[in-house]
Amino acid sequence: GNSVTQMEGPVTLSEEAFLTINCTYTATGYPSLFWYVQYPGEGLQLLLKATKADDKGSNKGFEATYRKETTSFHLEKGSVQVSDSAVYFCALTGTGGSNYKLTFGKGTLLTVNP
Amino acid sequence: KAGVTQTPRYLIKTRGQQVTLSCSPISGHRSVSWYQQTPGQGLQFLFEYFSETQRNKGNFPGRFSGRQFSNSRSEMNVSTLELGDSALYLCASSLAGGPNEQFFGPGTRLTVL
Repeated sequence: GNSVTQMEGPVTLSEEAFLTINCTYTATGYPSLFWYVQYPGEGLQLLLKATKADDKGSNKGFEATYRKETTSFHLEKGSVQVSDSAVYFCALTGTGGSNYKLTFGKGTLLTVNP
Repeated sequence: KAGVTQTPRYLIKTRGQQVTLSCSPISGHRSVSWYQQTPGQGLQFLFEYFSETQRNKGNFPGRFSGRQFSNSRSEMNVSTLELGDSALYLCASSLAGGPNEQFFGPGTRLTVL
């Protein structure tokens, strides 16, 4: 079945540091890939998405590129802020019969210190 | 446009009781999905409803059930609660389900004592 593996946290960075959160996936065909963010006490918010190979999703300074050859969708940001502190989830929707649900990674807690 | 709303936000129940959670999707969205979030298992898909029909179901026991009304609002019910049912229950809506973007509500935090 489909699965998502993302780097375990927690990740602690200083403000303005570079961020990378690794995400790899297992799926047949061409899944759609997503990064969601969850702030304390809240639900999930879509951060960015990519629906086909080599697509780059971007939002709020975050970027991720759909790499079919390495089955990866790593999240990056050049300069993090304290307000970026949250849990980040990599996710996919499959193709065909499994395209109705999101399969999530375990989540990575990011803490950004001033 | 209003987002996905879930009620109640917090709930405390005891083992053996049953509980009903409610979700109102974004206006115009016809697909509603439910997910359970726990520290141990992470985010797991429960089921999806579209036009009042359950289209898909995850690997949860029959104690977990749901329904969708003609206005797309959805409820999920958990009967005979167990301690392990303590979790954040998230509802997500989308226009038509499938690979379309899903918008999440704030969740209902259920604690089973």
